[in-house]
Amino acid sequence: DAKTTQPPSMDCAEGRAANLPCNHSTISGNEYVYWYRQIHSQGPQYIIHGLKNNETNEMASLIITEDRKSSTLILPHATLRDTAVYYCIVRVANNAGNMLTFGGGTRLMVKP
Amino acid sequence: EAQVTQNPRYLITVTGKKLTVTCSQNMNHEYMSWYRQDPGLGLRQIYYSMNVEVTDKGDVPEGYKVSRKEKRNFPLILESPSPNQTSLYFCASSPAAGGKSEQFFGPGTRLTVL
Repeated sequence: DAKTTQPPSMDCAEGRAANLPCNHSTISGNEYVYWYRQIHSQGPQYIIHGLKNNETNEMASLIITEDRKSSTLILPHATLRDTAVYYCIVRVANNAGNMLTFGGGTRLMVKP
Repeated sequence: EAQVTQNPRYLITVTGKKLTVTCSQNMNHEYMSWYRQDPGLGLRQIYYSMNVEVTDKGDVPEGYKVSRKEKRNFPLILESPSPNQTSLYFCASSPAAGGKSEQFFGPGTRLTVL
């Protein structure tokens, strides 16, 4: 799986959009971009994933650049409960072991 | 409610005393995995299972055993725990393999081996 680079930490004001960047310059054509988050030692929580098109669900939006070398996770109206470590992961479609490899992630602090 | 459950949530034990951490999912998922999470090392896969009676090693299988006799259950067994197995353990399940499917994680089991 391709390596990802994320800023170690970010702050966001409550109610504002949180934009979390991720670089994955070595991504290959059959690799998906996944985002998970982990709130203080709880089980990681799936947020969203995409291949090359932008995606949106009830939690967030995922914007993938046209060359697919980077992406941005957008939480449109951050709340205090969104404070967590956010992980950007790139995974091949046929990963038989279904393994998830989490890097350092971005620690998002949502402030009142 | 669709969920992955683990028991116990917290466990303190001594070196060499066999223990089992249970994992159960109610979503009829085929794939299940065990991970451990340690500071600075991220999440590392211990074992995974693609279906009943099919299991395989992940990145760090030494010192662990698993079994998958039923689709919903995937227990993690430590036959002779050692202090280096002190960690936070997560069980996960997903409906399919590979990069097209998200994984659902349990709440975690914090294990301390003295």
